[in-house]
Amino acid sequence: DSGVTQTPKHLITATGQRVTLRCSPRSGDLSVYWYQQSLDQGLQFLIHYYNGEERAKGNILERFSAQQFPDLHSELNLSSLELGDSALYFCASSVAGGRGDYGYTFGSGTRLTVV
Amino acid sequence: AQKVTQAQTEISVVEKEDVTLDCVYETRDTTYYLFWYKQPPSGELVFLIRRNSFDEQNEISGRYSWNFQKSTSSFNFTITASQVVDSAVYFCALAGSSASKIIFGSGTRLSIRP
Repeated sequence: DSGVTQTPKHLITATGQRVTLRCSPRSGDLSVYWYQQSLDQGLQFLIHYYNGEERAKGNILERFSAQQFPDLHSELNLSSLELGDSALYFCASSVAGGRGDYGYTFGSGTRLTVV
Repeated sequence: AQKVTQAQTEISVVEKEDVTLDCVYETRDTTYYLFWYKQPPSGELVFLIRRNSFDEQNEISGRYSWNFQKSTSSFNFTITASQVVDSAVYFCALAGSSASKIIFGSGTRLSIRP
């Protein structure tokens, strides 16, 4: 157990629907990162939150949004889902605001299947 | 821009052979951090090692060893006496001092045949 909790582990939904993925960081970690792993795109950075504030955005679609709550858990919202959104979504956490010296701990991921 | 290249898409070896996974990176930062992660068939990302740019000492952990060479911008990973349980996708990754994210290479799928 890495200490980063992602729920649900698996999600199957239809095109056009909206889903929410949840991530609880390791105790004491202030940063949460979201990554998408699809077969043809590898591990792509989506977004980073630090202590409730957005710090960086990657290749995140406008249909996707995220937030980090006061208790530091984060949610990734995916709407108007398309078949191509099927992927493994990872959350990672770290202590600091993005400096690699503190390392990144990944959760076990949420496997999203859009049918 | 930062970039990580893992030129080996797939490697297949027989058990007990040694195997080296290559990683080449690009960054303009003077301070940066390099990582290796393992992704077994179950899908989770397992942290293996983190190395900062000021520490070029090679590291050995059991059957695993890492060779960091700033002169060639490489951070290669060697598994000695490979085992079937080593079969996984291995990712090399880079985080800069000011970057707010970790950038992954495309991964190398390693298959160890019994």
